[in-house]
Amino acid sequence: RKEVEQDPGPFNVPEGATVAFNCTYSNSASQSFFWYRQDCRKEPKLLMSVYSSGNEDGRFTAQLNRASQYISLLIRDSKLSDSATYLCAVRGGYQKVTFGTGTKLQVIP
Amino acid sequence: DVKVTQSSRYLVKRTGEKVFLECVQDMDHENMFWYRQDPGLGLRLIYFSYDVKMKEKGDIPEGYSVSREKKERFSLILESASTNQTSMYLCASSLSDSLYNEQFFGPGTRLTVL
Repeated sequence: RKEVEQDPGPFNVPEGATVAFNCTYSNSASQSFFWYRQDCRKEPKLLMSVYSSGNEDGRFTAQLNRASQYISLLIRDSKLSDSATYLCAVRGGYQKVTFGTGTKLQVIP
Repeated sequence: DVKVTQSSRYLVKRTGEKVFLECVQDMDHENMFWYRQDPGLGLRLIYFSYDVKMKEKGDIPEGYSVSREKKERFSLILESASTNQTSMYLCASSLSDSLYNEQFFGPGTRLTVL
């Protein structure tokens, strides 16, 4: 089983739609969790960290379910500019972060 | 703004050549990382360093070595390049004082080994 798994997509959604991605992780001792965004031919950039209580940043909501070992990202009112690949990342021990393979989102006019 | 720079955006080398990829960060970060990114395989950690002259193997260190002589610079070395090392190489850096420290990435080096 991979350490961090994501559905690669693509998710094709119309503008204004709500879309959700999940990411599962195998190490129950994982300490912290993140969502990164990567635009085509660009480097990944942090979208948001994922806290135990869940957190929201505008149209984006991230949640953590430690019992089932997954994190989720919800995007409301999708914009064309949200089209990108979304990478989940999990920190195990000692600063090492493992990334998922990414989920590609295409928002359609 | 944090800036992570990589020495080349594109590089073409021949099989058997020794290849150096350089990464420099300007924010006094303790941690530095080298990843490669391949379609369908995502970002895979090659090596990381948490201090000058310190290094730790990541998930795929075979065929690579690293050097960190100064805090701001982390070099990835391919001792004898092979075609299966054709990939996008991304360097990143982060602070080490929190579990939630963000990794900042450089723009990447697309390496082709012929």
